[in-house]
Formats: sequence, C-alpha cells, structure tokens
Amino acid sequence: RKEVEQDPGPFNVPEGATVAFNCTYSNSASQSFFWYRQDCRKEPKLLMSVYSSGNEDGRFTAQLNRASQYISLLIRDSKLSDSATYLCVSNTGNQFYFGTGTSLTVIP
Amino acid sequence: DTGVSQNPRHKITKRGQNVTFRCDPISEHNRLYWYRQTLGQGPEFLTYFQNEAQLEKSRLLSDRFSAERPKGSFSTLEIQRTEQGDSAMYLCASSIRQTNEKLFFGSGTQLSVL
Repeated sequence: RKEVEQDPGPFNVPEGATVAFNCTYSNSASQSFFWYRQDCRKEPKLLMSVYSSGNEDGRFTAQLNRASQYISLLIRDSKLSDSATYLCVSNTGNQFYFGTGTSLTVIP
Repeated sequence: DTGVSQNPRHKITKRGQNVTFRCDPISEHNRLYWYRQTLGQGPEFLTYFQNEAQLEKSRLLSDRFSAERPKGSFSTLEIQRTEQGDSAMYLCASSIRQTNEKLFFGSGTQLSVL
C-alpha cells in the first residue's frame, strides 16, 4: 500500500469554480503534511503546510483530519494560472512521502 | 540565487555508461534529499543526508546507484551502467532539520538513457 494516495484526476474546471482535492496517508505516525504544486516539467514548489486546525492562504484552504488520516485542499475562484499538478505530502520525521499528484486544468 | 542548484539540467547517455549529477543545496540547510520522478508519478525517495552522513537509502536504490555528500555541502548522485529504466527526472531537495521541516527542490536533472 502506498504511503500517500491521491485521486490522479484529471480535474477540468471552468474559471471561477471551486475545486477540492483529497488524499489519504497510511502512517499514523506522520508528523507534518504539505501540499506542493508542480508545473509541467518543473520542480515541485511548496504551496502550503497543512494543520489540524485548518489553514487558509488567500483562495487556498488546507485541512488535516488525523482521525481519518485524510488531507484536503480547497481552491476557490479558480484561475487559469492554477492549472498544475498538486502533490500531497506527508513527513514521518525521516522521510517525505509524495502522492502521485492530482492534475488540475482550469478552462477559460 | 540562493536556491537549490542542480547540474546538469539534461543528460542524454547510452545504456551502460556511467553518469553523475551534482546538487548544491541552500547554504544553511543541513539535510539533502534525492528523489526520482517519472511521468505521471510523484517524486520517489532515493536517499537523504544529514550533514555528511547518509542516513537512509530506499530499498529501490540498486547497487548501481551511489550518493555522496563529502563535506556536508554539495552532493553527487552517480548511476553506474545505466539502463533504459533509469530514464527519469532526478530531483534534489534540501531542508533544515526542525519541527515542520519543509523541502525546497532544485530544478532537477532530466536523464534519458538511449
């Protein structure tokens, strides 16, 4: 079983839509969680950390549910520039585990 | 530029040849990670260093792969006797060991084995 599992999509949404991505992790000892964004043929870039209390950064909201071992990312008012692959990441303290990524295309 | 630097950006080699990649981490970062990524997959852990010590290696890392970080600064990843299955993007990332440690990636080295 993979450490982190994500729905690969693709998600194709119109501009202005709200889209949600989910991921699950298998190691209950995981200590911290992140969402990374990766553009085609580029390196992953940190989008935001994920906390149990939930955190928001502009149009992006991330949430962690430790009981269900579930992480989510909500993007409101999607922009064309949001088109990318979104990677869910867990850190056990010694290793970072990446999901396969969820592909998002925002359509004009 | 104070980000993570990787060289070369692209490498094309023939099967059976040896290749070496270099990573220069962010200067104050004491941890350095190597990942491999193929199309449609997330980055796959290969190995990591804390300062000059190699603390963990993936079971996926065959004997043909070796990594070093001799002075706790830059790192090299060598692949001996390359195979077509080694074709991938090799990503280096660095971090500071701390609570809520975060990874910062270099631009990667795209390896094509013909």
